Amino acid sequence: GENVEQHPSTLSVQEGDSAVIKCTYSDSASNYFPWYKQELGKGPQLIIDIRSNVGEKKDQRIAVTLNKTAKHFSLHITETQPEDSAVYFCAASEGDAGNMLTFGGGTRLMVKP
Amino acid sequence: KAGVTQTPRYLIKTRGQQVTLSCSPISGHRSVSWYQQTPGQGLQFLFEYFSETQRNKGNFPGRFSGRQFSNSRSEMNVSTLELGDSALYLCASSDRPGQGYEQYFGPGTRLTVT
Repeated sequence: GENVEQHPSTLSVQEGDSAVIKCTYSDSASNYFPWYKQELGKGPQLIIDIRSNVGEKKDQRIAVTLNKTAKHFSLHITETQPEDSAVYFCAASEGDAGNMLTFGGGTRLMVKP
Repeated sequence: KAGVTQTPRYLIKTRGQQVTLSCSPISGHRSVSWYQQTPGQGLQFLFEYFSETQRNKGNFPGRFSGRQFSNSRSEMNVSTLELGDSALYLCASSDRPGQGYEQYFGPGTRLTVT
């Protein structure tokens, strides 16, 4: 089955700096890669996603890049703000497994004002 | 549109008991998936339902089961609870099954087994 690894597990940045979170996956048949943000006491919130026919996608301060050959994808947050502080999860959708997502271990992002 | 709702939000049960959790997907969404979240194992897929049929099942024992009703609402049941079943149980809905469709999560049900 699919295996997703996520780094780093914790990330501390100064407000206004950029943050980058990286994930690798193992199943070459995976073609959908969402990112979720989870705040304390809440469920994961979909913030951006990318499909394997696209190399990069951007939504305001958030961007995701995908390298299918190397089987890795990354989340980039620019001009970080204190409200970006949360746990971020990457995930991959397995080729023949419907909606099933395999998640990375999560990154706790702390943005210091 | 209202988001995914889950009830109850918090639950305390004793070992050996059983529990039923409920999930109402976003209006119009027909696919519901369940995940277990623990500090040690992270987010793990339990099962997925579409049109009242289980389409996929994760690597969990048979004590974990679920079902989906004709209005797309879903329930999951855990029988003979163990301490290790303490977790946040999350439900996610999607407007269709298959790879590559956005899934939206509810707030979860926090289950504590004592």
